[in-house]
Amino acid sequence: EAQVTQNPRYLITVTGKKLTVTCSQNMNHEYMSWYRQDPGLGLRQIYYSMNVEVTDKGDVPEGYKVSRKEKRNFPLILESPSPNQTSLYFCASSIGTGSSYEQYFGPGTRLTVT
Amino acid sequence: SQQGEEDPQALSIQEGENATMNCSYKTSINNLQWYRQNSGRGLVHLILIRSNEREKHSGRLRVTLDTSKKSSSLLITASRAADTASYFCATDAKSNYQLIWGAGTKLIIKP
Repeated sequence: EAQVTQNPRYLITVTGKKLTVTCSQNMNHEYMSWYRQDPGLGLRQIYYSMNVEVTDKGDVPEGYKVSRKEKRNFPLILESPSPNQTSLYFCASSIGTGSSYEQYFGPGTRLTVT
Repeated sequence: SQQGEEDPQALSIQEGENATMNCSYKTSINNLQWYRQNSGRGLVHLILIRSNEREKHSGRLRVTLDTSKKSSSLLITASRAADTASYFCATDAKSNYQLIWGAGTKLIIKP
């Protein structure tokens, strides 16, 4: 089954404790991205990757890191989480970049930073 | 900045009625997509309409695009309880290919 998986689905952590949210897709998609979703703000892109070893900042990259060492995986790293990073996070993938391509979303990771 | 802005922010209708939600955007676009999100879950692609198309259908969904007004509408006919969800439009500007999302319309279908 074609899918994007994220882990963990739920995470409660404390300020400053490094964490990684994993994302994996099995569709051989070139393009992957991370979003955060906050009430009333819609989806905001954090980082994206157009291919292996190619990543770039989205609209809200501060406080986040990513890597793309393999085509299928695109982990999101919070080196020193802060309470303002409490949010619902989504990983997405698509064949290519832009509005010509359907985005496939993971189930989401709800992160709480205390 | 948001390329797509949905309206209304929330809509509550009776089952069986039609639901219409709108999306406006600011710059010339390549295409426009609509997605559905059930509460707290990942978004699911519904339909894509190209900038040279004016109307597109998919089952009970009808999407229109008016590039002169920089707006699109999503019509769901004969609504069902299962249509309760948030609906988002997403576009990209002709000058770059990053998707930008609106804040969504929350649709509630009352039985």
